[in-house]
Amino acid sequence: NAGVMQNPRHLVRRRGQEARLRCSPMKGHSHVYWYRQLPEEGLKFMVYLQKENIIDESGMPKERFSAEFPKEGPSILRIQQVVRGDSAAYFCASSPWTSGNTGELFFGEGSRLTVL
Amino acid sequence: AQKITQTQPGMFVQEKEAVTLDCTYDTSDQSYGLFWYKQPSSGEMIFLIYQGSYDEQNATEGRYSLNFQKARKSANLVISASQLGDSAMYFCAMREGLVSGGGADGLTFGKGTHLIIQP
Repeated sequence: NAGVMQNPRHLVRRRGQEARLRCSPMKGHSHVYWYRQLPEEGLKFMVYLQKENIIDESGMPKERFSAEFPKEGPSILRIQQVVRGDSAAYFCASSPWTSGNTGELFFGEGSRLTVL
Repeated sequence: AQKITQTQPGMFVQEKEAVTLDCTYDTSDQSYGLFWYKQPSSGEMIFLIYQGSYDEQNATEGRYSLNFQKARKSANLVISASQLGDSAMYFCAMREGLVSGGGADGLTFGKGTHLIIQP
Protein backbone atom coordinates (compact mmCIF):
# COMPACT_ATOMS: atom_id res chain seq x y z
CA ASN A 1 0.00 0.00 0.00
CA ALA A 2 2.22 2.75 -1.31
CA GLY A 3 1.77 6.18 0.11
CA VAL A 4 2.40 9.43 -1.70
CA MET A 5 5.66 9.07 -3.60
CA GLN A 6 7.85 12.05 -4.32
CA ASN A 7 11.06 12.15 -6.26
CA PRO A 8 13.73 13.17 -6.16
CA ARG A 9 14.10 13.41 -2.41
CA HIS A 10 17.01 15.81 -2.82
CA LEU A 11 17.81 17.99 -5.79
CA VAL A 12 20.67 20.41 -6.25
CA ARG A 13 20.55 22.99 -9.01
CA ARG A 14 22.63 26.00 -9.99
CA ARG A 15 20.99 29.36 -10.43
CA GLY A 16 19.24 29.56 -13.79
CA GLN A 17 18.65 25.83 -14.19
CA GLU A 18 15.30 24.09 -14.14
CA ALA A 19 13.96 21.92 -11.34
CA ARG A 20 11.31 19.24 -11.86
CA LEU A 21 9.67 17.61 -8.90
CA ARG A 22 7.42 14.61 -9.29
CA CYS A 23 4.57 13.33 -7.17
CA SER A 24 2.57 10.15 -7.49
CA PRO A 25 -0.53 10.32 -5.27
CA MET A 26 -1.85 7.45 -3.25
CA LYS A 27 -3.77 4.88 -5.21
CA GLY A 28 -7.32 6.03 -5.75
CA HIS A 29 -6.59 9.66 -4.92
CA SER A 30 -7.48 12.18 -7.58
CA HIS A 31 -6.59 15.40 -5.74
CA VAL A 32 -3.02 16.62 -5.50
CA TYR A 33 -1.67 19.58 -3.56
CA TRP A 34 1.78 21.13 -3.57
CA TYR A 35 3.16 22.95 -0.57
CA ARG A 36 6.45 24.74 0.02
CA GLN A 37 8.26 24.82 3.34
CA LEU A 38 11.00 27.35 3.86
CA PRO A 39 13.49 26.73 6.70
CA GLU A 40 11.95 27.28 10.14
CA GLU A 41 8.52 27.87 8.58
CA GLY A 42 5.26 26.02 8.23
CA LEU A 43 3.94 24.71 4.95
CA LYS A 44 2.56 27.23 2.51
CA PHE A 45 -0.03 26.19 -0.06
CA MET A 46 1.02 26.55 -3.67
CA VAL A 47 -1.39 24.77 -5.96
CA TYR A 48 -4.25 22.27 -6.01
CA LEU A 49 -4.84 20.04 -8.99
CA GLN A 50 -7.14 17.31 -10.16
CA LYS A 51 -6.43 15.17 -13.18
CA GLU A 52 -5.74 17.48 -16.13
CA ASN A 53 -7.05 20.52 -14.25
CA ILE A 54 -5.57 23.22 -12.08
CA ILE A 55 -8.24 24.01 -9.50
CA ASP A 56 -6.48 26.62 -7.37
CA GLU A 57 -3.05 28.10 -8.02
CA SER A 58 -3.44 31.12 -5.75
CA GLY A 59 -0.28 30.23 -3.81
CA MET A 60 1.92 29.77 -6.84
CA PRO A 61 4.36 32.52 -7.82
CA LYS A 62 3.23 34.06 -11.09
CA GLU A 63 6.52 33.54 -12.89
CA ARG A 64 8.82 30.57 -13.31
CA PHE A 65 6.56 28.11 -11.47
CA SER A 66 4.12 25.74 -13.11
CA ALA A 67 2.34 22.55 -12.18
CA GLU A 68 0.51 19.84 -14.01
CA PHE A 69 -1.29 16.62 -13.25
CA PRO A 70 -1.73 14.75 -16.51
CA LYS A 71 -4.23 12.02 -17.21
CA GLU A 72 -1.43 9.48 -17.02
CA GLY A 73 1.64 9.77 -14.84
CA PRO A 74 2.66 11.79 -11.83
CA SER A 75 2.02 15.40 -10.99
CA ILE A 76 4.96 17.64 -11.86
CA LEU A 77 6.01 20.87 -10.20
CA ARG A 78 8.35 22.73 -12.49
CA ILE A 79 10.54 25.66 -11.51
CA GLN A 80 12.33 27.42 -14.32
CA GLN A 81 15.46 29.55 -13.94
CA VAL A 82 15.79 28.73 -10.25
CA VAL A 83 17.10 31.32 -7.80
CA ARG A 84 18.58 30.85 -4.33
CA GLY A 85 15.26 31.84 -2.75
CA ASP A 86 13.65 28.76 -4.30
CA SER A 87 15.67 26.55 -1.93
CA ALA A 88 13.06 24.83 0.20
CA ALA A 89 11.30 21.56 0.86
CA TYR A 90 8.43 20.95 -1.53
CA PHE A 91 5.74 18.66 -0.27
CA CYS A 92 3.09 16.93 -2.28
CA ALA A 93 -0.12 15.70 -0.68
CA SER A 94 -3.08 13.79 -2.02
CA SER A 95 -6.68 13.34 -1.01
CA PRO A 96 -9.41 10.98 -2.15
CA TRP A 97 -12.66 11.98 -3.76
CA THR A 98 -15.04 10.31 -1.31
CA SER A 99 -18.02 11.73 0.49
CA GLY A 100 -17.70 12.42 4.16
CA ASN A 101 -13.95 12.41 4.25
CA THR A 102 -12.37 14.70 6.77
CA GLY A 103 -10.28 16.50 4.22
CA GLU A 104 -7.13 14.93 5.61
CA LEU A 105 -4.19 15.25 3.29
CA PHE A 106 -1.70 12.42 2.97
CA PHE A 107 1.78 13.81 2.53
CA GLY A 108 4.80 12.55 0.70
CA GLU A 109 8.24 12.76 2.27
CA GLY A 110 9.07 15.93 0.42
CA SER A 111 11.64 16.99 -2.14
CA ARG A 112 14.42 19.20 -0.88
CA LEU A 113 15.67 21.65 -3.45
CA THR A 114 18.97 23.39 -2.93
CA VAL A 115 19.96 26.15 -5.33
CA LEU A 116 23.66 26.95 -5.40
CA ALA B 1 -4.39 38.25 9.90
CA GLN B 2 -2.95 34.81 10.41
CA LYS B 3 -5.45 32.00 10.14
CA ILE B 4 -3.47 29.64 12.37
CA THR B 5 -1.36 30.90 15.25
CA GLN B 6 1.06 28.77 17.21
CA THR B 7 2.58 30.98 19.87
CA GLN B 8 5.25 28.58 21.12
CA PRO B 9 8.25 28.47 18.75
CA GLY B 10 9.93 25.88 20.96
CA MET B 11 9.33 23.83 24.09
CA PHE B 12 11.49 21.66 26.34
CA VAL B 13 9.65 18.97 28.30
CA GLN B 14 10.85 16.20 30.61
CA GLU B 15 10.22 12.69 29.45
CA LYS B 16 6.98 11.16 30.77
CA GLU B 17 5.40 14.55 31.41
CA ALA B 18 2.28 15.69 29.59
CA VAL B 19 2.69 18.55 27.16
CA THR B 20 0.19 20.98 25.63
CA LEU B 21 0.92 22.63 22.31
CA ASP B 22 -1.14 25.75 21.67
CA CYS B 23 -3.06 26.54 18.52
CA THR B 24 -5.59 29.27 17.85
CA TYR B 25 -7.39 29.74 14.58
CA ASP B 26 -9.35 32.38 12.76
CA THR B 27 -12.25 31.62 10.46
CA SER B 28 -15.72 32.92 9.74
CA ASP B 29 -16.84 29.57 8.34
CA GLN B 30 -19.24 27.46 10.40
CA SER B 31 -17.86 24.22 9.04
CA TYR B 32 -14.16 23.59 9.30
CA GLY B 33 -11.67 20.97 10.35
CA LEU B 34 -8.58 21.19 12.52
CA PHE B 35 -5.54 18.97 12.16
CA TRP B 36 -2.27 18.33 13.87
CA TYR B 37 0.76 17.02 12.02
CA LYS B 38 4.13 15.92 13.35
CA GLN B 39 7.33 16.52 11.40
CA PRO B 40 10.36 14.67 12.79
CA SER B 41 13.89 15.60 11.78
CA SER B 42 13.66 13.20 8.84
CA GLY B 43 11.19 15.64 7.29
CA GLU B 44 8.04 13.70 6.56
CA MET B 45 4.65 15.01 7.65
CA ILE B 46 2.76 12.59 9.88
CA PHE B 47 -0.96 13.06 10.52
CA LEU B 48 -1.79 12.87 14.22
CA ILE B 49 -5.36 13.90 14.92
CA TYR B 50 -8.43 15.60 13.46
CA GLN B 51 -11.28 17.63 15.00
CA GLY B 52 -14.36 18.70 13.06
CA SER B 53 -16.06 21.94 13.99
CA TYR B 54 -19.34 20.11 14.66
CA ASP B 55 -17.77 17.36 16.73
CA GLU B 56 -19.03 17.68 20.28
CA GLN B 57 -16.41 15.49 21.84
CA ASN B 58 -12.71 16.23 21.88
CA ALA B 59 -10.80 13.98 19.49
CA THR B 60 -8.42 11.41 20.93
CA GLU B 61 -5.89 9.12 19.24
CA GLY B 62 -3.81 7.08 21.64
CA ARG B 63 -1.59 9.46 23.61
CA TYR B 64 -2.82 12.43 21.57
CA SER B 65 -5.90 14.42 22.40
CA LEU B 66 -7.21 17.68 21.05
CA ASN B 67 -8.54 20.22 23.52
CA PHE B 68 -11.13 21.91 21.32
CA GLN B 69 -12.59 25.15 22.68
CA LYS B 70 -14.79 26.48 19.92
CA ALA B 71 -15.77 29.76 21.58
CA ARG B 72 -12.11 30.59 22.11
CA LYS B 73 -11.16 29.27 18.67
CA SER B 74 -8.45 27.13 20.13
CA ALA B 75 -7.42 23.58 19.30
CA ASN B 76 -4.54 22.67 21.56
CA LEU B 77 -2.78 19.33 21.19
CA VAL B 78 -2.14 17.39 24.37
CA ILE B 79 0.44 14.63 24.41
CA SER B 80 0.27 12.48 27.51
CA ALA B 81 3.28 10.64 28.93
CA SER B 82 5.75 12.16 26.50
CA GLN B 83 8.49 10.00 24.99
CA LEU B 84 11.87 10.83 23.51
CA GLY B 85 10.48 9.94 20.09
CA ASP B 86 7.96 12.75 20.39
CA SER B 87 10.73 15.28 19.75
CA ALA B 88 9.75 16.94 16.48
CA MET B 89 8.08 19.95 14.90
CA TYR B 90 4.33 20.02 15.39
CA PHE B 91 2.03 21.87 13.03
CA CYS B 92 -1.57 22.87 13.55
CA ALA B 93 -3.62 23.21 10.37
CA MET B 94 -7.15 24.12 9.33
CA ARG B 95 -9.44 23.30 6.44
CA GLU B 96 -12.24 25.79 5.91
CA GLY B 97 -15.61 25.28 4.31
CA LEU B 98 -17.78 22.26 3.69
CA VAL B 99 -16.17 19.19 2.25
CA SER B 100 -18.91 17.96 -0.03
CA GLY B 101 -17.83 14.83 -1.69
CA GLY B 102 -14.10 15.16 -1.46
CA GLY B 103 -11.02 16.95 -0.30
CA ALA B 104 -11.77 20.07 -2.26
CA ASP B 105 -9.88 22.44 -0.02
CA GLY B 106 -6.29 22.38 1.08
CA LEU B 107 -4.96 23.07 4.54
CA THR B 108 -3.62 26.27 6.05
CA PHE B 109 -0.70 25.62 8.41
CA GLY B 110 0.68 27.43 11.41
CA LYS B 111 4.41 28.08 11.77
CA GLY B 112 4.90 25.16 14.08
CA THR B 113 6.24 24.38 17.55
CA HIS B 114 9.58 22.66 17.98
CA LEU B 115 9.13 20.19 20.85
CA ILE B 116 12.17 18.67 22.50
CA ILE B 117 11.72 15.89 25.02
CA GLN B 118 14.53 15.64 27.52
CA PRO B 119 15.46 12.41 29.33
